[in-house]
Amino acid sequence: GAVVSQHPSWVICKSGTSVKIECRSLDFQATTMFWYRQFPKQSLMLMATSNEGSKATYEQGVEKDKFLINHASLTLSTLTVTSAHPEDSSFYICSARDLRGLAGKHNEQFFGPGTRLTVL
Amino acid sequence: GESVGLHLPTLSVQEGDNSIINCAYSNSASDYFIWYKQESGKGPQFIIDIRSNMDKRQGQRVTVLLNKTVKHLSLQIAATQPGDSAVYFCAENGAGGGATNKLIFGTGTLLAVQP
Repeated sequence: GAVVSQHPSWVICKSGTSVKIECRSLDFQATTMFWYRQFPKQSLMLMATSNEGSKATYEQGVEKDKFLINHASLTLSTLTVTSAHPEDSSFYICSARDLRGLAGKHNEQFFGPGTRLTVL
Repeated sequence: GESVGLHLPTLSVQEGDNSIINCAYSNSASDYFIWYKQESGKGPQFIIDIRSNMDKRQGQRVTVLLNKTVKHLSLQIAATQPGDSAVYFCAENGAGGGATNKLIFGTGTLLAVQP
């Protein structure tokens, strides 16, 4: 149980295009989802926190108009990288949390497998 | 600001030896800590966690130690195996248990197990 999936697992796009990444909780309802970015040989940096039915909360320095987050249901959150540029190339990882504790401990985050974005 | 850091960026051990990965945290109000394992190209995998009201917790081949006095966390892996080779991150969860409590990740330690 408590599986989180991401789609696609990797994507290559041209500079200036937009890319959408999906994060799904497969067997539990995620009241909160988190989006992280990880550059090579670096740690995970939180980009934003997304609560179902409300606007995402972005970390300092993360452009909300560039990284659009939608958490339309309790099992799906999407991250859209708009007008992508080569410097946006990174490994994007989502996690999901079920505060009701049905999927595990009440504050445990379950991580997706990540999406590798390469912008040419 | 808040930060979680590691003392050793790379740790090389012989297969069968015990490994110790260290982590320092700066937020004394953090009440929950987690160790993750990340293999290349994959998402973090939960290993073990510990709450601030404990100083030791054991799992299968792994032990986490928490020293709140010096704000230090360690992960011990017994009888390290080649499959343990990965990057290990400690993370702290802010106090309060609120809905949007964030995980703050440390810089990571690459564990390389030599056969």
